[in-house]
Amino acid sequence: AQRVTQPEKLLSVFKGAPVELKCNYSYSGSPELFWYVQYSRQRLQLLLRHISRESIKGFTADLNKGETSFHLKKPFAQEEDSAMYYCALVTSGTYKYIFGTGTRLKVLA
Amino acid sequence: DVKVTQSSRYLVKRTGEKVFLECVQDMDHENMFWYRQDPGLGLRLIYFSYDVKMKEKGDIPEGYSVSREKKERFSLILESASTNQTSMYLCASRKSTGELFFGEGSRLTVL
Repeated sequence: AQRVTQPEKLLSVFKGAPVELKCNYSYSGSPELFWYVQYSRQRLQLLLRHISRESIKGFTADLNKGETSFHLKKPFAQEEDSAMYYCALVTSGTYKYIFGTGTRLKVLA
Repeated sequence: DVKVTQSSRYLVKRTGEKVFLECVQDMDHENMFWYRQDPGLGLRLIYFSYDVKMKEKGDIPEGYSVSREKKERFSLILESASTNQTSMYLCASRKSTGELFFGEGSRLTVL
């Protein structure tokens, strides 16, 4: 069965430190992967997707098919990055989005 | 801006009551979704609709039903609310590029 695993429930880093939020997926086909973010008191919104290969708010994520991973990275964390982050997988030919359990990122001053 | 609006932000209901959660989107999206969001469990798909009057069960449809009579509106129905349905409910619509747009959520408490 398709699955998305985010192993860390909570990740705390200091401001200016690098951050990596882990996401592993299980799917034998060609996945479409996303990172969504939910800031305090805001709605869930798209952060980035692997197809676009762009950097949003300094975050990047590379799809590693060999390791079935899509880790989210940022070289220098900012306090405003504190939020809940969800990794999501869409399998080809479906509209079914499978979300991970989320990682709460806390950036400490 | 794409807008997904959930009519009720907070509801408190009693066990056995019928509950309607409504969601409206203004971008003519064909696909709409209902998720519930629980701490430690992430987002779990209840139902989705890929077109008007078309619906498909998600991973946790038990105890829920949906209605999509018009393209812009997707309703989630709890026929007889139970305490284990206390949760945050999120509606989303899907753009053709694949991006999901979420509503602000409806926090339901069942006493």
